[in-house]
Amino acid sequence: DAKTTQPTSMDCAEGRAANLPCNHSTISGNEYVYWYRQIHSQGPQYIIHGLKNNETNEMASLIITEDRKSSTLILPHATLRDTAVYYCIVRPEAFQGGSEKLVFGKGTKLTVNP
Amino acid sequence: ETGVTQTPRHLVMGMTNKKSLKCEQHLGHNAMYWYKQSAKKPLELMFVYNFKEQTENNSVPSRFSPECPNSSHLFLHLHTLQPEDSALYLCASSLDRVEQYFGPGTRLTVT
Repeated sequence: DAKTTQPTSMDCAEGRAANLPCNHSTISGNEYVYWYRQIHSQGPQYIIHGLKNNETNEMASLIITEDRKSSTLILPHATLRDTAVYYCIVRPEAFQGGSEKLVFGKGTKLTVNP
Repeated sequence: ETGVTQTPRHLVMGMTNKKSLKCEQHLGHNAMYWYKQSAKKPLELMFVYNFKEQTENNSVPSRFSPECPNSSHLFLHLHTLQPEDSALYLCASSLDRVEQYFGPGTRLTVT
């Protein structure tokens, strides 16, 4: 079962920042927060992951609250190609003895409008 | 392009057929995965291979038979499937089991 809750859908105007929230109130100390997205009829795409510090890469920023019970994925300048379902997943790193399993929930359907 | 390729991209097969799905990764990864995505359902992990050895089988029926001859190639052999097995089958790979990179998937229809 997914250990995260996300809004079912969100809209964003092209060129604006998209902020996608995720609640993971039962997260354990050794669990990371991962974000993936799936554009229609394609395989999921890894975006970013983090443990407790905020992370940034060329695709997005990940902001994790101090108590680690929630996080926000930020797409700084959304484009039409960012329209996709975004999944927030928590799991321990496999090298820590955690399962390989990525448990995908229902995610957030982000629609970027022109 | 993620560096993970899957063939064929689309497959239609009868319930008595035998077919195979192929996955190849060009990333130097050491772990490979098969996932199933049915309509309106979340992705489900089927099998995991680490360094060619199967390390997870999530109660998958025996009509699905994986094969991993080396760290770059993964197959899923299919036989006597049911219509409810129609789905998108996704392959993924990872290095040291951290973030997973997915292929484009094979859309399978069982008639």
